[in-house]
Amino acid sequence: DAGVIQSPRHEVTEMGQEVTLRCKPISGHNSLFWYRQTMMRGLELLIYFNNNVPIDDSGMPEDRFSAKMPNASFSTLKIQPSEPRDSAVYFCASSLGTGDHTDTQYFGPGTRLTVL
Amino acid sequence: DQQVKQNSPSLSVQEGRISILNCDYTNSMFDYFLWYKKYPAEGPTFLISISSIKDKNEDGRFTVFLNKSAKHLSLHIVPSQPGDSAVYFCAASRFNTDKLIFGTGTRLQVFP
Repeated sequence: DAGVIQSPRHEVTEMGQEVTLRCKPISGHNSLFWYRQTMMRGLELLIYFNNNVPIDDSGMPEDRFSAKMPNASFSTLKIQPSEPRDSAVYFCASSLGTGDHTDTQYFGPGTRLTVL
Repeated sequence: DQQVKQNSPSLSVQEGRISILNCDYTNSMFDYFLWYKKYPAEGPTFLISISSIKDKNEDGRFTVFLNKSAKHLSLHIVPSQPGDSAVYFCAASRFNTDKLIFGTGTRLQVFP
């Protein structure tokens, strides 16, 4: 079975440009999570969805970040305008989302974003 | 405010010996704890977990210990193997939310 799929794997852009990261969760999973990994802060949850509805976006840094989940098999994380401090690895994860908080989260391979 | 802390950024252990990775948390509402393992250029993968009603959970070479009074958990790997070299993240969650709070990770290197 395919795991969580993320694209692109690497993205290099210039400050001020719009960046869109994409994620396809595991089929049948109802919860989707966006994380950011930095050396200083480790893995931070940005936002998560359950049944395509945003449940907690308290980790979204600021208005430049937005996330959508138009259907059960696709989500995007957009940064507009991008800044050098947004450079990080962004992970998408999915879980069964049954309402049991012990459901295992499965991570994608990540997108390494570099903003020049 | 770092609710889950891994104070050792790195650990180096000889093959065959025990590796002990530590994690502290501050939120007493956490009731489920996990360890994830991450290789370079890959996403984290689930390794082992423990519920707050237990103080130990074992899976092969991996054992997680939970000390609720000290708000401390540890991961023991015995015996350590070179393939265990990775970054290990501790994470915690509480009832009624799917939100995981991760630590900053500990890089384990197992040398021959």
